[in-house]
This record gives sequence, C-alpha cells and structure tokens, in this order.
Amino acid sequence: QVQLVQSGPEVRQPGASVKVSCKPSGYTFTDYYIHWMRQAPGQGLEWMGWLNPTSGGSHYAQKFRAWVTMTRDTSISTAYLEVNNLKSDDTATYYCARELNSGFYDHWGQGTLVAVSS
Amino acid sequence: QSALTQPASVSGSPGRSITISCTGTNSDVGSYDLVSWYQQHPGKAPKLIIYEVTKRPSGVSNRFSGSKSGNTASLTVSGLQGEDEADYYCCSYAGRDRVFGGGTTLTVL
Repeated sequence: QVQLVQSGPEVRQPGASVKVSCKPSGYTFTDYYIHWMRQAPGQGLEWMGWLNPTSGGSHYAQKFRAWVTMTRDTSISTAYLEVNNLKSDDTATYYCARELNSGFYDHWGQGTLVAVSS
Repeated sequence: QSALTQPASVSGSPGRSITISCTGTNSDVGSYDLVSWYQQHPGKAPKLIIYEVTKRPSGVSNRFSGSKSGNTASLTVSGLQGEDEADYYCCSYAGRDRVFGGGTTLTVL
C-alpha cells in the first residue's frame, strides 16, 4: 500500500537550517508530484510548494521562496525539504503529501515536528 | 495567494447535519472544479474526504458531501456522529499554487 514516511523530530537554534526527508513507497516515486505543507502549533495548514520528482523542478509559495528548497534523490526515492535561517515562528509540523492529477492529496506523511528554540 | 475563508467553528447534535463553507476568489475556487476537503483529528495527519468538489474516495462515508457555487465551496456532514468531531480544511488548485482554508473545528454536541 502507499505510504510516505518522514524523518524524525528535529530541534534547531534560530538561524540554523533543517532538512526533512520524505520517502514514499508502494508506487513509482517519479509518477506523482510531492507537495510540502506545514502546520504551526494550534494553527491551520499552510501550503509551501511542490517538487516534480522526475525533473527535480520545484515551485514555492511566494512566502517561502527566499529560504526553502525542495529536492529529491531518485536513487533512493526520497524527497527533501530544507528550511534555512530558521526563526521561532518556523516551529511547526511539516508534512509531505502525494498529489494526484487534479490537485488533491490522497496520501500524507506522518509529519515531522521541527522546533526552533534558543 | 490569500488563504480561503472558512468559519472558525461549527457545531451540531448527533444525527443532524452541518455545512462548512470555503470562500475563495476567481483565481482559485471560482476558476477550477478542483476543491478538496481534509479531515484532521488531533495529533494526526490530514485525511482526504472530498476531491474535485463532489467526489468521495473509496472508504469515506457517504455522510460527507461537497458542492460549489461561484467562489464558494461547501462541505456537508449529515447524520453527525461523535467520530466526526475534528478539524476540516478546504484546499483549492490555483494554477501553479495551491491554497488552503484556515480550518473549521467541528464540535458534535
């Protein structure tokens, strides 16, 4: 069955970077785009951008363009989200999700909590 | 891209129906029949319950239904049950972007 397994929780100091991984299984990695969302504690979902696993191309929400990078390693069928210059309000659970053809997410990772604290 | 507008909370008694609205713009909800809805229980990942405005994934109860008129999409939950108590989010395709609603907390009284 389809699963997306994310890396474990992270704690970082302000100004640091974090790289979260997302490893899908149960389907061909390059067949579907991977999207990343985040959810601050007690807040709603926020769309961050997408990654095309075939080409490596990506597109980010305007808010995140300056400090977020989405990449992939096709040899191990894994997608990555890197967030740079972390601030306290980047503390959130970060989710990856598989997008089907028409803009909906049928499978989600379990989420990765990133805590930013000095 | 601004977030879609949802009511912060709705409530209903067991067995009754509720409707959650999701208002966007001509750039997202109004331009595409590509609105999806997600249910999220505390501490869990979101779960897809409606896609392409009205379609239900296999395994999702037919008590959940979706619709759209103009720039506003709606999710109706009929025959409310205690397990329906959760947060609900709408999401719209917007070209290269996607946009979520702020979320609605459903309380079953």
